[in-house]
Amino acid sequence: NAGVTQTPKFRILKIGQSMTLQCAQDMNHNYMYWYRQDPGMGLKLIYYSVGAGITDKGEVPNGYNVSRSTTEDFPLRLELAAPSQTSVYFCASSLQGGWSPLHFGNGTRLTVT
Amino acid sequence: GENVEQHPSTLSVQEGDSAVIKCTYSDSASNYFPWYKQELGKRPQLIIDIRSNVGEKKDQRIAVTLNKTAKHFSLHITETQPEDSAVYFCAASGGAGANNLFFGTGTRLTVIP
Repeated sequence: NAGVTQTPKFRILKIGQSMTLQCAQDMNHNYMYWYRQDPGMGLKLIYYSVGAGITDKGEVPNGYNVSRSTTEDFPLRLELAAPSQTSVYFCASSLQGGWSPLHFGNGTRLTVT
Repeated sequence: GENVEQHPSTLSVQEGDSAVIKCTYSDSASNYFPWYKQELGKRPQLIIDIRSNVGEKKDQRIAVTLNKTAKHFSLHITETQPEDSAVYFCAASGGAGANNLFFGTGTRLTVIP
């Protein structure tokens, strides 16, 4: 099992550009999550999904969109990138939502200039 | 929703000493409490977890204790080593039907050789 795979590892965007962060898991987990982690800070939940076709906002959803067309994939879309979105983005999955461990991807380091 | 507070934010110990990190939670229905270790530039990884029907759990030099009455849980690391230096995050599940974990703000542990 590859676990949770995120691409790209690094990306530099100009202000106003858009991009999609890819996330895929091969553990057949229903629950998937996107977190952002600013330098020296904790994890903030952006969006999550409890299964294909179902998504919900987390703590900091503004400026982002998600979709979940399959169990395996949970892409995060940034529209009109802003410097405040400079961060490390982690995708994660779990078997039983808040009642089981999260498995994190290796992260995407995004810089918006 | 659930609110998790974590203390201290930074902790320095001499190699071989013990380290204790404490977390409190607000939702008495929370029943799953994992701890994650994040090394510099890496993803968070689960190191130990405990469920509400257990008061203590050990794994070699790491232990977690849970006090449901007081709504707090703690991570104990004995015989600390330089490789224990990292940021540690606690989390709680929230109540029935919880879809995601609620994270503390993290503790930066430094083990001084």
